[in-house]
Amino acid sequence: DIVMTQTPLSSPVTLGQPASISCRSSQSLVHSDGNTYLSWLQQRPGQPPRLLIYKISNRFSGVPDRFSGSGAGTDFTLKISRVEAEDVGVYYCMQATQNPWTFGQGTKVEIK
Amino acid sequence: QLQLQESGSGLVKPSQTLSLTCAVSGGSISSGGYSWSWIRQPPGKGLEWIGYIYHSGSTYYNPSLKSRVTISVDRSKNQFSLKLSSVTAADTAVYYCARSRGDYAIDYWGQGTLVTVSS
Repeated sequence: DIVMTQTPLSSPVTLGQPASISCRSSQSLVHSDGNTYLSWLQQRPGQPPRLLIYKISNRFSGVPDRFSGSGAGTDFTLKISRVEAEDVGVYYCMQATQNPWTFGQGTKVEIK
Repeated sequence: QLQLQESGSGLVKPSQTLSLTCAVSGGSISSGGYSWSWIRQPPGKGLEWIGYIYHSGSTYYNPSLKSRVTISVDRSKNQFSLKLSSVTAADTAVYYCARSRGDYAIDYWGQGTLVTVSS
């Protein structure tokens, strides 16, 4: 299985300041079709996960443009340009390049 | 707007079989290009992908659960189901059903249902 490792596991952020979450995979996430199936999900307290970013850097419909994804191969990053109160929650990276699909441990974003 | 809703027993005894159903509304489960997954989350912990079924009926299961899992689809009812046999306390979790697209993005999730394994 591909192991997804996120850092940090907790990120206290001041409102209006940026936040960054790193995700590293144990092997390359480049699929044989040339795509990289790395997604980012947000889970607000008491809610199901919600898709933010797919294929490294594509924002899902309705996701604010303060969220951005980048990276390649085995190293990926989710950035929030200016954290808002509604961004509090746990963020997961997920790979679907290889079965079984696997998730990172989650990074908790909270307001200082 | 696609909606998914899990239902089933919230309490299962150890060694018995957990059974859940995901009702899909606002779209057809038979539409090509999508797969339908089950994902679980133990209380206070992270996400674990259980497996999926394609619109064609083909399935893939997480090897860690493969010997105990069956995912099936009922096109007449526009729903898909999960059966997990020989459950233990370690199977206590919120179980989510979800849809993924051809680019493997999981774009729609159910609200989740808590299943507790206890005698």
